Amino acid sequence: EVQLVESGGGLIQPGGSLRLSCAASGFTVSSNYMSWVRQAPGKGLEWVSVIYSGSSTYYADSVKGRFTISRDNSKNTLYLQMNSLRGEDTAVYYCARVGAWYFFDYWGQGTLVTVSS
Amino acid sequence: QSALTQPPSASGSPGQSVTISCTGTSSDVGIYNYVSWYQQHPGKAPKLLIYEVSKRPSGVPDRFSGSKSGNTASLTVSGLQAEDEADYYCSSYAGTYVFGTGTKVTVL
Repeated sequence: EVQLVESGGGLIQPGGSLRLSCAASGFTVSSNYMSWVRQAPGKGLEWVSVIYSGSSTYYADSVKGRFTISRDNSKNTLYLQMNSLRGEDTAVYYCARVGAWYFFDYWGQGTLVTVSS
Repeated sequence: QSALTQPPSASGSPGQSVTISCTGTSSDVGIYNYVSWYQQHPGKAPKLLIYEVSKRPSGVPDRFSGSKSGNTASLTVSGLQAEDEADYYCSSYAGTYVFGTGTKVTVL
């Protein structure tokens, strides 16, 4: 059974850093495309980043240069390193597996990041 | 990449049908057959309903169907049921990915 479990969210001050983790089971992260999607309180879904099986990475313009997506194949875990956090980064962050082709077929339960002083 | 445009709300009585539109551009919906649809209940993670415009994953009822014409994709929910009351989002591949603005479906 495919499962994705996010962790690492919390309250952080503006300008701070946070690393989110997404532990996967039931499939191999390194062989799949993986993505992060976020949802601000009361708002819609926003795509954040993707890492392809060949390790190419892409980012939404709103996070480019501040966020870094990566994975640890030995731990079968996806990460999102978030630096220079802003109030507008406050959201529930979901990790999702990208199915072939280009859709999000499995989602985690989400982890809440709150950026506030 | 600008969000795809969806109507904020849609509604129907039990047993009726509702169709949600998702309008993009010739750079996303219009050029790629990689439109997907997601259902999200309050406080829950999104769930995949439709991929590649009109394909249904196993376990999704055939009451849910998708189509596309030009720059606009559509999701139709036939035979509305109480549990279909949720938010619905479209998404398109466009080199990267873009989601729609979301539609709240109310079952009257």
